[in-house]
Amino acid sequence: EAQVTQNPRYLITVTGKKLTVTCSQNMNHEYMSWYRQDPGLGLRQIYYSMNVEVTDKGDVPEGYKVSRKEKRNFPLILESPSPNQTSLYFCASRQDRGHSNQPQHFGDGTRLSIL
Amino acid sequence: DAKTTQPTSMDCAEGRAANLPCNHSTISGNEYVYWYRQIHSQGPQYIIHGLKNNETNEMASLIITEDRKSSTLILPHATLRDTAVYYCIVRDDKIIFGKGTRLHILP
Repeated sequence: EAQVTQNPRYLITVTGKKLTVTCSQNMNHEYMSWYRQDPGLGLRQIYYSMNVEVTDKGDVPEGYKVSRKEKRNFPLILESPSPNQTSLYFCASRQDRGHSNQPQHFGDGTRLSIL
Repeated sequence: DAKTTQPTSMDCAEGRAANLPCNHSTISGNEYVYWYRQIHSQGPQYIIHGLKNNETNEMASLIITEDRKSSTLILPHATLRDTAVYYCIVRDDKIIFGKGTRLHILP
């Protein structure tokens, strides 16, 4: 089954303790992206990647890092989490090479609480 | 800022057609219009997309004006399960989701 898988789905942690949210897709998609969603603010893009070893900032990249060492994985790293990063996070992927109009496929979300 | 403008909320009676408008007056010639919806806190679900011709699939129809500055998503026979936030976006590598339209289906 074609899907985008995020882990963990829920996490409660404390300020300053490094964490990684993994994202994996099995559709051989070139494009991957991370979003956060906060009440009243809609979905905001954090980082995106056009392909392996290519990443770029979205609208709200501060406090986050990403890497794209292989096509299927796009982890989101919070080196020193703070309470303002408490949010619902979504990973998405999209086929790009030769198919410039394909829609995004979203994961089920990761709810992070930073105390 | 979001490149699209949508009403904050809309109501529609169950069984009737729901027509959700979107303005994208700064859309460029090669940008597609996409519609997604989000039910509660689930991941956004793709509905439909188009460039300049009207499109229809099993979920909805998309009507794009000739000048491409606006579009309308049509859910032909709305059900309670269509209650969701609907997002209209234009294709871009740096994708921006606005606040969407919260659609309430009234029984």
